[in-house]
Amino acid sequence: KQEVTQIPAALSVPEGENLVLNCSFTDSAIYNLQWFRQDPGKGLTSLLLIQSSQREQTSGRLNASLDKSSGRSTLYIAASQPGDSATYLCAVYTSGTYKYIFGTGTRLKVLA
Amino acid sequence: DAGVIQSPRHEVTEMGQEVTLRCKPISGHDYLFWYRQTMMRGLELLIYFNNNVPIDDSGMPEDRFSAKMPNASFSTLKIQPSEPRDSAVYFCASSLEGWDTQYFGPGTRLTVL
Repeated sequence: KQEVTQIPAALSVPEGENLVLNCSFTDSAIYNLQWFRQDPGKGLTSLLLIQSSQREQTSGRLNASLDKSSGRSTLYIAASQPGDSATYLCAVYTSGTYKYIFGTGTRLKVLA
Repeated sequence: DAGVIQSPRHEVTEMGQEVTLRCKPISGHDYLFWYRQTMMRGLELLIYFNNNVPIDDSGMPEDRFSAKMPNASFSTLKIQPSEPRDSAVYFCASSLEGWDTQYFGPGTRLTVL
């Protein structure tokens, strides 16, 4: 059974800092992995989707990497801004289950 | 496109009452998902549809929950009778393919007293 873990559960950083969010999964037979952002009281917004054959995917200040064999993904946020404050969730699409399993998220606060 | 639309945004009801949540997916998306989010259990998939047909309902907690998709532009999630432990935020999402980028609605915050 696929399990997805995100550590730390919460993170506070000063504005301008580069930071890394972590996502671990137990079953490496994945099809792809998505990173989402959730603002308080809102739905999830997909940030990046990285296929199992890819090593990384970039969008603006965001870079997601994937190491399928070790069951890890990281989301790198460059030059963080207060507007980046949100909860970030990763979700893994596992071959055979045909659905996404979500991590519990990392709550990020960027201080001005 | 307006994105995924959910109604109501907030619902407060009493234990034992029937609750119906509604979702309109993005036009052209063949997949529709219902999720539930709580502090204790995080985001859980309840059921998903492909071309209006339920494919996997293994996440539906019990027989009190039911979901329908009568056409490509509308789905409902019904709880009857509701219980306090059903209190959560319920999200609807849609995508072109099951493994594709998922687009979430704003959610319905359900409180069962």
